[in-house]
Amino acid sequence: AQKVTQAQTEISVVEKEDVTLDCVYETRDTTYYLFWYKQPPSGELVFLIRRNSFDEQNEISGRYSWNFQKSTSSFNFTITASQVVDSAVYFCALTPWETSGSRLTFGEGTQLTVNP
Amino acid sequence: SQTIHQWPATLVQPVGSPLSLECTVEGTSNPNLYWYRQAAGRGLQLLFYSVGIGQISSEVPQNLSASRPQDRQFILSSKKLLLSDSGFYLCAWSIGTGTLTQYFGPGTRLLVL
Repeated sequence: AQKVTQAQTEISVVEKEDVTLDCVYETRDTTYYLFWYKQPPSGELVFLIRRNSFDEQNEISGRYSWNFQKSTSSFNFTITASQVVDSAVYFCALTPWETSGSRLTFGEGTQLTVNP
Repeated sequence: SQTIHQWPATLVQPVGSPLSLECTVEGTSNPNLYWYRQAAGRGLQLLFYSVGIGQISSEVPQNLSASRPQDRQFILSSKKLLLSDSGFYLCAWSIGTGTLTQYFGPGTRLLVL
């Protein structure tokens, strides 16, 4: 069984603050993939990043960065110098490697509100 | 480039009525297709997925069914809606074998009254 926990239900920050969204996962698979998605008020899920279980390098993309630590089963997401447009629900998700298709297990999401 | 469409965007239906939600993908062949439901409270739940025409896997036994009559078409149906079927339904696609990224459609908001 797989599980993804996003303990922070809601986070509120002021613009330009840095914010970290936590994600902790549980899986018995040795090969798996982790994802982050953004869901703005419009509802559509927007893909942000994918990581496989063998790649523990941190990644930075503009103001976004991700910290994958296999030892603690965590895949945290940091937004630097947050902006109002970052306000959304953010989901962490997990899937094992499979030969066909993929079945994502999502966390419950973190509602991020960035106030001007 | 690939695009994914869902319709209708919004639907209000009475309890006991049938349901048909449609999802189509353009710009790719033989995609893997998925239906998710997002109830109030934000969590997403995988309902069905399909790796090919006529191949449907159900993740959660319930009042819903899915069909894939064409390569890039995925339909979610119900014969009789329940109040608990209300939610936000999202279709997604991925390509190839192995675990690849899923890309989501705009979703359908369903309210059952």
